Amino acid sequence: DIQMTQSPSSVSASVGDRVTITCRASQGIGSWLAWYQQKPGKAPKLLIYSASSLQSGVPSRFSGSGSGTDFTLTIGSLQPEDFATYYCQQADSFPLTFGGGTKVGIK
Amino acid sequence: EVQLLESGGDLVQPGGSLRLSCAASGFTFSSYAMSWVRQAPGKGLEWVSGITGSGGTTYYPDSVKGRFTVSRDNSKSTLYLQVNSLRAEDTAVYYCAKLYSTSSWGPGFDDWGQGTLVTVSS
Repeated sequence: DIQMTQSPSSVSASVGDRVTITCRASQGIGSWLAWYQQKPGKAPKLLIYSASSLQSGVPSRFSGSGSGTDFTLTIGSLQPEDFATYYCQQADSFPLTFGGGTKVGIK
Repeated sequence: EVQLLESGGDLVQPGGSLRLSCAASGFTFSSYAMSWVRQAPGKGLEWVSGITGSGGTTYYPDSVKGRFTVSRDNSKSTLYLQVNSLRAEDTAVYYCAKLYSTSSWGPGFDDWGQGTLVTVSS
């Protein structure tokens, strides 16, 4: 199974900060990586697919990069509605696996 | 507008069974592979099954293989998850999720239901 390791597990930031979350795969997955945002009590929401493609309707302050084993989600200027938990997910091979999550909290 | 509505979650004793359902609307259901993803209380996301659009191929992680069975009825636009031999560690919110692409699992899941809670306890 491909293990997905996210870091940090949590981060405290202020509105307007630039936030970067990393995701590392235990083996190469090409660009088959998605990023999701989840708020308490809600279903996950797709932000980025295929490592760097912005999902329709998602603000442009979100961006994704990387390929192979190392990936990054960047929030360019953190907004109040961005405080949430973020997950990466690989879809290169079964079983599909998620990272452990990164909670973005208010500093 | 895509809608996915799960149902069937309940309190069940260890060793028990349930069938979860996900009623889909707003898209051509048979064209999309679907999955179930669960989330234990306070924990992260865990993928627990996948099924192709035709229903001809299914996928599971080892943690549930042999106990969970995913199926679909394309005539009813409904996805199912039969969960047997339930354990305390199966307690979670179970989400159904629609694949972004009609042709590849790669881009991830673009639509999710609101989830249904399964609690396994005596």
